[in-house]
Amino acid sequence: DQQVKQNSPSLSVQEGRISILNCDYTNSMFDYFLWYKKYPAEGPTFLISISSIKDKNEDGRFTVFLNKSAKHLSLHIVPSQPGDSAVYFCAALSGGSNYKLTFGKGTLLTVNP
Amino acid sequence: DAGITQSPRHKVTETGTPVTLRCHQTENHRYMYWYRQDPGHGLRLIHYSYGVKDTDKGEVSDGYSVSRSKTEDFLLTLESATSSQTSVYFCAITDPGLAASTDTQYFGPGTRLTVL
Repeated sequence: DQQVKQNSPSLSVQEGRISILNCDYTNSMFDYFLWYKKYPAEGPTFLISISSIKDKNEDGRFTVFLNKSAKHLSLHIVPSQPGDSAVYFCAALSGGSNYKLTFGKGTLLTVNP
Repeated sequence: DAGITQSPRHKVTETGTPVTLRCHQTENHRYMYWYRQDPGHGLRLIHYSYGVKDTDKGEVSDGYSVSRSKTEDFLLTLESATSSQTSVYFCAITDPGLAASTDTQYFGPGTRLTVL
């Protein structure tokens, strides 16, 4: 049973426009959420996170929104740049789980010049 | 750079042979994790460690064992490799409570393993 779902395997946007990547979760015990970016042949790199006590966290061009009632989070990238082209993974953590992350399957973002 | 190295970075082996992958960290973090990444599956946890000699299973632990005899090294062993274990393996570390983003895991560069 997949507890973290990224239902869009891929997304294509134009440079300068907004990219919105979505993530849904089913486990109500999750209380911390992270987004990772992964380029080919490299390890995932941490991008941004949000605690369940917040509904928004912003870092430069990246903003994560959390809707707890809908068990939904989204990552907004504005403006999108060609260098943002990568696979984006959503991950979730529940307290007391020995800090084990549960990952979604990822969304491949392509930003076209 | 989170001070994580993985070795080897690439390996080709034959079915039935033992394989050991190494994760080394210089950050003295307590928690270490092994994941595998496969198309259509994202990242799945194999095993993790919460201290020297303290390890536990993840969601896809069958066919794998781990050891952690010192803080900086976490070894993943495939006792008898199978073709289904062809994958990219990532090590990650974290040390909850020491930073503002306390539960963030930082990943190594990965090992690409091919089992023929």
